[in-house]
Amino acid sequence: DAGVTQSPTHLIKTRGQQVTLRCSPKSGHDTVSWYQQALGQGPQFIFQYYEEEERQRGNFPDRFSGHQFPNYSSELNVNALLLGDSALYLCASSLAPTEMNTEAFFGQGTRLTVV
Amino acid sequence: GNSVTQMEGPVTLSEEAFLTINCTYTATGYPSLFWYVQYPGEGLQLLLKATKADDKGSNKGFEATYRKETTSFHLEKGSVQVSDSAVYFCALNDYKLSFGAGTTVTVRA
Repeated sequence: DAGVTQSPTHLIKTRGQQVTLRCSPKSGHDTVSWYQQALGQGPQFIFQYYEEEERQRGNFPDRFSGHQFPNYSSELNVNALLLGDSALYLCASSLAPTEMNTEAFFGQGTRLTVV
Repeated sequence: GNSVTQMEGPVTLSEEAFLTINCTYTATGYPSLFWYVQYPGEGLQLLLKATKADDKGSNKGFEATYRKETTSFHLEKGSVQVSDSAVYFCALNDYKLSFGAGTTVTVRA
């Protein structure tokens, strides 16, 4: 089992550009959540996808959008990049979001640097 | 909204010392509580969890008890090793994870 895989591992973008990050969930998982982890801080919830729909959203602007495909993989898109978007972006997969004790499995993350 | 506050670091210990990292939470309802660990250069790994009051989660010598009366979920280990050096995150799950800021632990040989 490959676990949760994210690509790319590192990325450098210029302010104002757009970026797409990708995530493949752990085998058997159908729910994908995205988190932003700024340096020295805990991860912050961006949004969660289940059955190809955004089910929950954290306090992030509309510049952050996502998509889930029929195979449960997911993309995170960020438009009009700001310097403050520089962070580690983590993808987590889990089973259907109906239980609070569901374990989430995390990928290694994508390190985004905006210059 | 729901939130987690955990002890600020960094924490530096000698091998075989006792480790405790404090974590308190604010939540409506009864969320599940977790400790995640992040080793250098890696993603988050679940260390242990507790799903209801008075539950004790344990793994790799670490323990934490879900205390509803004090809204706490403190992490403890009786004898740390160099390999325990990592960042530890307390989190609650109310259908999404809310994390604390993390505590960096360094164990010296």
